[in-house]
Amino acid sequence: KAGVTQTPRYLIKTRGQQVTLSCSPISGHRSVSWYQQTPGQGLQFLFEYFSETQRNKGNFPGRFSGRQFSNSRSEMNVSTLELGDSALYLCASSSPGLAAYEQYFGPGTRLTVT
Amino acid sequence: GIQVEQSPPDLILQEGANSTLRCNFSDSVNNLQWFHQNPWGQLINLFYIPSGTKQNGRLSATTVATERYSLLYISSSQTTDSGVYFCAVERGNGTGRRALTFGSGTRLQVQP
Repeated sequence: KAGVTQTPRYLIKTRGQQVTLSCSPISGHRSVSWYQQTPGQGLQFLFEYFSETQRNKGNFPGRFSGRQFSNSRSEMNVSTLELGDSALYLCASSSPGLAAYEQYFGPGTRLTVT
Repeated sequence: GIQVEQSPPDLILQEGANSTLRCNFSDSVNNLQWFHQNPWGQLINLFYIPSGTKQNGRLSATTVATERYSLLYISSSQTTDSGVYFCAVERGNGTGRRALTFGSGTRLQVQP
């Protein structure tokens, strides 16, 4: 079974631009979560999507948004990029249901904002 | 929110040595996972262990949920074990919502 995939793997953007990152979960997984990793703040939860609906949200500004498609693939968008948005963005997928099943992570997208 | 503390923050070992990494958490959890982050940034699943003990080769883990801590044991360490080890937890909420809270990690360096 293929793992979680993320595209692109690397991205360089300029302040003020916007960016869209993509995540394809493991086949059969319907929950997709996004995380930001920075040297200063560590790994932080952004949001989770399930059945095309945002089911949970972390403490990030509205510039960070996402969506999920009917095939469970998810995208996250960051508008009006700031230097502090430079980070590794990781997505994770897990099986649906009320139980806290194991989460599996993709290889990440490394975003650099100049 | 739930707090996760990992210790030690840094660890340097000689190849062949054993080590124990600790993860303390501040509230009851229904998910606890250990990850190894490789040099390219990917989080590799080591254990899904909300309670009990598991072993996988040279690695084993124990979670004592009632005392809110988990331990990751690495035996006969190899240079390929180098990297950052993360503990991450989730609280049960009965709604199915997912959100891992990560510790700050233990950076392990195994020297030949």
